[in-house]
Amino acid sequence: NAGVTQTPKFQVLKTGQSMTLQCAQDMNHNSMYWYRQDPGMGLRLIYYSASEGTTDKGEVPNGYNVSRLNKREFSLRLESAAPSQTSVYFCASAYWGPGGGYTFGSGTRLTVV
Amino acid sequence: QQPVQSPQAVILREGEDAVINCSSSKALYSVHWYRQKHGEAPVFLMILLKGGEQKGHEKISASFNEKKQQSSLYLTASQLSYSGTYFCGTETGNQTGANNLFFGTGTRLTVIP
Repeated sequence: NAGVTQTPKFQVLKTGQSMTLQCAQDMNHNSMYWYRQDPGMGLRLIYYSASEGTTDKGEVPNGYNVSRLNKREFSLRLESAAPSQTSVYFCASAYWGPGGGYTFGSGTRLTVV
Repeated sequence: QQPVQSPQAVILREGEDAVINCSSSKALYSVHWYRQKHGEAPVFLMILLKGGEQKGHEKISASFNEKKQQSSLYLTASQLSYSGTYFCGTETGNQTGANNLFFGTGTRLTVIP
């Protein structure tokens, strides 16, 4: 049981380049999320998808787009990368039932130069 | 809507106890607790729903005071494996899953021999 799988694990981009971070979960969760983690800032929500076919902005959506491809997959796209987007990105999925919580992927460490 | 955690950091010797606090200015429906080890993804520890519930996970337990919008995480007889950064995630609203989690900035716990 893989849980939440993120690719790539590391990426270096030049300013202005674009890329897509991939996320897939095999736990049949309805909700999926993208967070970024910066030193001293905790985890901040970029976008989320409460269920297949829906996406909504979180706290820090500027410069990002998302696609909920199907129930399993939720991708995050940076159209024109900026140094301020240097961060660790985590995808998560959630089971909203008794005892449920978020399951996080292993993260993508992105550096924009 | 980001909750406030305290302390920011704590150092313990093996066997000592610690308390980590999380407070919000918003009415809370639930509080989650996660632990993140360096270079890894956050791992779900437990969820507390409104109602003053207290839960436990090994020698780690937590309480939730909905009237004060506060939760506390109790670590007793700490072990080296408890080292990491602890995050609370708070859910506002009136229904689990209807709203997203907002995470605190974390409490770095270091357990030394």
